[in-house]
Amino acid sequence: GESVGLHLPTLSVQEGDNSIINCAYSNSASDYFIWYKQESGKGPQFIIDIRSNMDKRQGQRVTVLLNKTVKHLSLQIAATQPGDSAVYFCADAISGGYQKVTFGTGTKLQVIP
Amino acid sequence: GAVVSQHPSWVICKSGTSVKIECRSLDFQATTMFWYRQFPKQSLMLMATSNEGSKATYEQGVEKDKFLINHASLTLSTLTVTSAHPEDSSFYICSARRGAGHTEAFFGQGTRLTVV
Repeated sequence: GESVGLHLPTLSVQEGDNSIINCAYSNSASDYFIWYKQESGKGPQFIIDIRSNMDKRQGQRVTVLLNKTVKHLSLQIAATQPGDSAVYFCADAISGGYQKVTFGTGTKLQVIP
Repeated sequence: GAVVSQHPSWVICKSGTSVKIECRSLDFQATTMFWYRQFPKQSLMLMATSNEGSKATYEQGVEKDKFLINHASLTLSTLTVTSAHPEDSSFYICSARRGAGHTEAFFGQGTRLTVV
C-alpha cells in the first residue's frame, strides 16, 4: 500500500447501489493482494484476495480487479447494504516465505439508507 | 476459518508502567505473527514480524527495547509496551500466518491501549 494519510477518504453510496473502492500500491514485487473490511474498534476482516496471475476475482457480492500495469486495485461491492459501512483497506504482499502484509490508505464507506 | 484472539481488548494504564498484550491463534499453529499499530483514522502500520523461536524483526523507527515481542510458542505471541507514555496510546492489532506456503494472515480483534 501507499503512504498513510491523516484523513480517510470517504465514499458515500445509496443503499442498493454498487460501490467501487480504489487503491494504489507501490511495490512492483508484490504478487498477492487482499481487501480487508474494518469496523470501528475491531480488527481487519478478510474480504477477498487475488494473486498477480489473475486480473479479476469474484466473491459473494464482491469483485476485485487488479491492474498490474498501473499498480491499481479496486473492490466492487454489489447492492451495497448498511452493514457494508466500514473502512476498507487494500493490502499487498509478496507470497512465499514470511513476507509482511503492507496496508494502504483506507477508504471509509458510508451507506445511506 | 482460523481464529486469532487478542487479550485484553482494551487496557488503561498509568504513564511509566508496562503493559502486555497477548495474541493467540486458537485453532492453528502460527509460525509467523505480525504486530501492527493503528492511530485514529489512519491505516495499520506494521511494527514487527516475529517467527516462533526467534527474535522479532522490527520495522524502521520502531524501538525494540520499548516494544518487546515474544513468540515462544506456535500459538502465542506477546507484545509488551514498556514504560508506556500517552503517545503510545493506540490500537494494537496482531495477525498470524500458518507458515511458508500460506500467505493469508488472520487478524485479532485488536487491543485499545490508553496511557494516562
